[in-house]
Amino acid sequence: GAGVSQSPRYKVAKRGQDVALRCDPISGHVSLFWYQQALGQGPEFLTYFQNEAQLDKSGLPSDRFFAERPEGSVSTLKIQRTQQEDSAVYLCASSLLVPPYDNEQFFGPGTRLTVL
Amino acid sequence: AQTVTQSQPEMSVQEAETVTLSCTYDTSESDYYLFWYKQPPSRQMILVIRQEAYKQQNATENRFSVNFQKAAKSFSLKISDSQLGDAAMYFCAQLFMEYGNKLVFGAGTILRVKS
Repeated sequence: GAGVSQSPRYKVAKRGQDVALRCDPISGHVSLFWYQQALGQGPEFLTYFQNEAQLDKSGLPSDRFFAERPEGSVSTLKIQRTQQEDSAVYLCASSLLVPPYDNEQFFGPGTRLTVL
Repeated sequence: AQTVTQSQPEMSVQEAETVTLSCTYDTSESDYYLFWYKQPPSRQMILVIRQEAYKQQNATENRFSVNFQKAAKSFSLKISDSQLGDAAMYFCAQLFMEYGNKLVFGAGTILRVKS
């Protein structure tokens, strides 16, 4: 595709529900990142994949958050038993090679998650 | 500590005028990369300009330029000849290679452009 796409764009969940957020990176991009952006704040790092390997998950806020990229392309961020504090925009980004040698990250439009 | 600080929550500029957005950072890395991203209401984060720390020369992209002061750990963005389309949230960010190749962002500065 022409850019990074994410689906759904908006998701409303009841507290306690599980949600799955999808990211389609630019074709051929090796690196994939997930960020969480609370309202009025800067994005915060969640996790990083190089191909299918999850090399850094230090930003995941709890064990309710799980991310995968099984074939090294599409990635899914799953949140189990959602809580109100999970309400945020979840951004996905990809880059062609491995930072810092190609350090431009291309961002998707994000998924806005609202937990009621 | 991995911190990026933007001390200006909001800035305004008249169309065609120049505005400077401030950013400071804290790092122990000897080589690193700094970025300015623009986020309009559509939420699509767009790269505006990047600076490699080992390069002495300040980066420039058309109307956008940076003032990179490595010793002071300062990285400001200057927008010349401001246009209505420049109105957005601007984020300063640093790439932390030592900590898993992640971007660490500041809190952002809302830029308003007056016609």
